[in-house]
Amino acid sequence: DAGVIQSPRHEVTEMGQEVTLRCKPISGHDYLFWYRQTMMRGLELLIYFNNNVPIDDSGMPEDRFSAKMPNASFSTLKIQPSEPRDSAVYFCASRNHSSYEQYFGPGTRLTVT
Amino acid sequence: KNEVEQSPQNLTAQEGEFITINCSYSVGISALHWLQQHPGGGIVSLFMLSSGKKKHGRLIATINIQEKHSSLHITASHPRDSAVYICAVRTGTASKLTFGTGTRLQVTL
Repeated sequence: DAGVIQSPRHEVTEMGQEVTLRCKPISGHDYLFWYRQTMMRGLELLIYFNNNVPIDDSGMPEDRFSAKMPNASFSTLKIQPSEPRDSAVYFCASRNHSSYEQYFGPGTRLTVT
Repeated sequence: KNEVEQSPQNLTAQEGEFITINCSYSVGISALHWLQQHPGGGIVSLFMLSSGKKKHGRLIATINIQEKHSSLHITASHPRDSAVYICAVRTGTASKLTFGTGTRLQVTL
């Protein structure tokens, strides 16, 4: 299996622009997680889905952030409008219902100037 | 105070040394995870444990539920063990993980 796939791997954008991050979970996994990692705060859960349904979005910073999972093999995290403080590495992870072990994608490094 | 505290924050060791990384947490948990983040950024799961001890190669993880404490040990450390090691806890039946801030390990020749 290819593992969790994220795109793009790097994104540089200007403040105010819309940013869309993409994730393809491991086939057969029914949980998908979006995390953000910064030097100051470490890894934080933003939102997670089970069977394409958002279960806990309490970590989403504000209304500028939104996440969707239209089907079992694809999810997006959108920031609109982006701000410099959104600069971070965003990870997607997935797992299946029979194990709590999560598999992480390579991350997307976002820089907002 | 963070729910999950790790120590030390940074650790430098010479090849061959025995290494211990500690994780303390303040809430009741259903399981604790140890993760490794490579210098390139990728994150892999090392252990998931709710009691006792687990071993995989040169890595050993232990947990004491009563004391709310876990340790990750590396025997015969090697430069390829250089990474950030992250502790995370899961509570109840939820899937949500709460992370420590990580321990940056560098193993030199």
